[in-house]
Amino acid sequence: DVKVTQSSRYLVKRTGEKVFLECVQDMDHENMFWYRQDPGLGLRLIYFSYDVKMKEKGDIPEGYSVSREKKERFSLILESASTNQTSMYLCASSLFPEVTGESGEETQYFGPGTRLLVL
Amino acid sequence: AQTVTQSQPEMSVQEAETVTLSCTYDTSESDYYLFWYKQPPSRQMILVIRQEAYKQQNATENRFSVNFQKAAKSFSLKISDSQLGDAAMYFCALGGTSYGKLTFGQGTILTVHP
Repeated sequence: DVKVTQSSRYLVKRTGEKVFLECVQDMDHENMFWYRQDPGLGLRLIYFSYDVKMKEKGDIPEGYSVSREKKERFSLILESASTNQTSMYLCASSLFPEVTGESGEETQYFGPGTRLLVL
Repeated sequence: AQTVTQSQPEMSVQEAETVTLSCTYDTSESDYYLFWYKQPPSRQMILVIRQEAYKQQNATENRFSVNFQKAAKSFSLKISDSQLGDAAMYFCALGGTSYGKLTFGQGTILTVHP
């Protein structure tokens, strides 16, 4: 089974702090994703990475940056946390686009989430 | 741009009954995938069922099945013989060919009454 882990389940930070959220996957997946989940808005893509050191902006990248130095690890960084970044953050990984014809490669597997409160 | 709409913020069902969750989507891609994910309270998001757009046959996974209407861009989830453990937030998601990025709907909270 694919396992995606996130460094913290709950985090409380103060406005202006630099915040690191870590995600690790153990299935040698090429793609990793960071989403934020807010009530009534579903999940929105912040950033994704399709290879080590490669990253692309998602739909809401403002105020965030990411780092992927190793294939299994994808970090989300809040350079200067603000109260409007209080949210649930979900990490996911998938094998796509290494398509070998096997069904299900595009499926994303999620971590347990980090609930971040910025005061 | 891709969009996914779940018009039912909340649904409820009696145990052992059947419930259908609605999802509509929009995409300009010809090759895409559709998913239903389940997020139980305080637990990890897991895949319920997936459908490739090029397949006409509706996907089924045990008590879960979909009604995929490609022309209408509709992708509903039917849960048969509902169980208490089915209570969760359900998300419909659309994935294209661009690195497998997903676009999610707003979610539907399903309550199962004993």
